[in-house]
Formats: sequence, C-alpha cells, structure tokens
Amino acid sequence: EPEVTQTPSHQVTQMGQEVILRCVPISNHLYFYWYRQILGQKVEFLVSFYNNEISEKSEIFDDQFSVERPDGSNFTLKIRSTKLEDSAMYFCASSPDRVGNQPQHFGDGTRLSIL
Amino acid sequence: QKEVEQNSGPLSVPEGAIASLNCTYSDRGSQSFFWYRQYSGKSPELIMFIYSNGDKEDGRFTAQLNKASQYVSLLIRDSQPSDSATYLCAVNSGTDKLIFGTGTRLQVFP
Repeated sequence: EPEVTQTPSHQVTQMGQEVILRCVPISNHLYFYWYRQILGQKVEFLVSFYNNEISEKSEIFDDQFSVERPDGSNFTLKIRSTKLEDSAMYFCASSPDRVGNQPQHFGDGTRLSIL
Repeated sequence: QKEVEQNSGPLSVPEGAIASLNCTYSDRGSQSFFWYRQYSGKSPELIMFIYSNGDKEDGRFTAQLNKASQYVSLLIRDSQPSDSATYLCAVNSGTDKLIFGTGTRLQVFP
C-alpha cells in the first residue's frame, strides 16, 4: 500500500538554527499537509498546500515557517531560527482530493528536538 | 474556536468486549469525520471516515454519526489487546484542515 514517507525520523538541532523536514507524499495525491504534535498534546494543523501554493495555514504557521515543493515528489517544511517550543513530532499528510472528500494519510513523522 | 472533545480515558475493556469511543464537536457546519488510531510514539493511522448520518461498518469497526447532536462515535467489536492505543477523532468543516480531539486511550486487557 502506498505510504507517505518522512525524513529524518529524528532531528536534533541547536536553538536558533534552521531545519528542513522532508516528506514524499503518496504519488497520485494532490493535497499536502503539515501537522505537529507537542508531547502529550493534540495533533495541530499547520498548513495545507495545493497546486504549488499554500491553500490554508493556521496561526501557528507564522513567518518562521515555510513550505516548498522543490520537485515533483518532495514536500518540505522549513523552520527558521528554531525555538525550544518548536520541539514536537511533525507529521506530513497527503490526500487525493480535499479532506472534505477524501481522508488524509499520515507519514511516520519527524521528531524534532531543539536544544 | 472550533473544538473537538473526547474523554481522555483510559477506557478499559476486557478482550472480546465492545469498546465504545465518543466524540463531540462544536461546529454545526462540520462535514466529514474521521477516526485515527495512534500507538504511543507513532503517527495517526486512519481507521474510518464517515460523512452521512447513521452507521458505517468496516470489519470490527462501526462509526456512528449524529449531526443533530453533534456527536460521532466508534465501536470496536471483539476488542483485542492489539487494539490498545489512543483513538483520535478528527473533524473537517469544509476547509483543508482537520481539527483533532485530544484522543481517548483504550486499554484492552486479556
């Protein structure tokens, strides 16, 4: 069964550094998403991406964050000048159509630890 | 603020019993509803989704939706120890995002 793949599985970074989290969505999916889950808390929406542009973003997704689809397969989340509170699991998801019509499938996540 | 509420549990059921997991949502305009299973330290795994009022069955799982009461539930029949996990209810209100509840921790004991 096709999967969403994410790399790396664990990223440790010094506060203030930039990180790039990578995702390969399911190949025939058109909608891509990033969510995060702080330890012990709920899964929170960050951003959705369709047709090479952001379609929706949350209040969390401020100027510190950016997303990109640099080629036909990868989807990345960049976090500039990381803070301690950015430590969380970051999940990439994809769906063939908008989530109102089709469910989102999640990758295994990247655990981001900011020191 | 659109909210999705779940009892955090744990819900403890014996092996072979029916586990009933409940979720309420605040946005009356919500359109689609999803149940994900999350094992500790792992990612959400889709179990079922439901769009229309009533019941939807898939194997041992049944999702129930009542839009008038803003309530969605998941029944797990013949519960197994491997079903022990946190069950996340997620709701979509017509935009791109899912709004998740905090999840209900299910424990199935032998």
